[in-house]
Amino acid sequence: AQKVTQAQTEISVVEKEDVTLDCVYETRDTTYYLFWYKQPPSGELVFLIRRNSFDEQNEISGRYSWNFQKSTSSFNFTITASQVVDSAVYFCALSEATRNTPLVFGKGTRLSVIA
Amino acid sequence: GAVVSQHPSWVICKSGTSVKIECRSLDFQATTMFWYRQFPKQSLMLMATSNEGSKATYEQGVEKDKFLINHASLTLSTLTVTSAHPEDSSFYICSVLTSGNGAKNIQYFGAGTRLSVL
Repeated sequence: AQKVTQAQTEISVVEKEDVTLDCVYETRDTTYYLFWYKQPPSGELVFLIRRNSFDEQNEISGRYSWNFQKSTSSFNFTITASQVVDSAVYFCALSEATRNTPLVFGKGTRLSVIA
Repeated sequence: GAVVSQHPSWVICKSGTSVKIECRSLDFQATTMFWYRQFPKQSLMLMATSNEGSKATYEQGVEKDKFLINHASLTLSTLTVTSAHPEDSSFYICSVLTSGNGAKNIQYFGAGTRLSVL
């Protein structure tokens, strides 16, 4: 069975600090997708990134970066120079690489960035 | 702009009434949509997979007669909470699965519907 663990329930940082959100996953599939979503207080889930299991290249998008380590089954997310607008709940998720499969979500990490 | 439109965003109803929630794919045709439920400060729980032109596939423990799903077109899926009771109060959120070439197999989410049953 698939499982996503986000061990950090809540994190609080001061603005401009860097913060890393951890994600560890379990799956028996050889091909799969990993995702990060942001859920601000408004409630909508905002897609941030999808990573295919055979692509272990790290990715950077502005202040966001993702570190995919297949050897440790981790897909960590780092926000550099955090801002108040980064305050949200962040979900890591996993799905099979076959069509029409739902997402398995972690429990989420609530990030609070304090000015 | 938004890829998925979910309506209404917020509804209050009396116990015993039915509530319909719409989920529209704005930018592409979607043969598959998903419905999730989220309790306060918890993760998303998959309720059902909505397939265009066929019956929805419900997760274990989700009453299909309670939560009616209709996916009559490639851009619209509806969730009807029938005879709602206070325990049905929750945040319901839909997602649309992309398909075809390019960025496929990505779920884009609606803004969610907050249901309060009095």
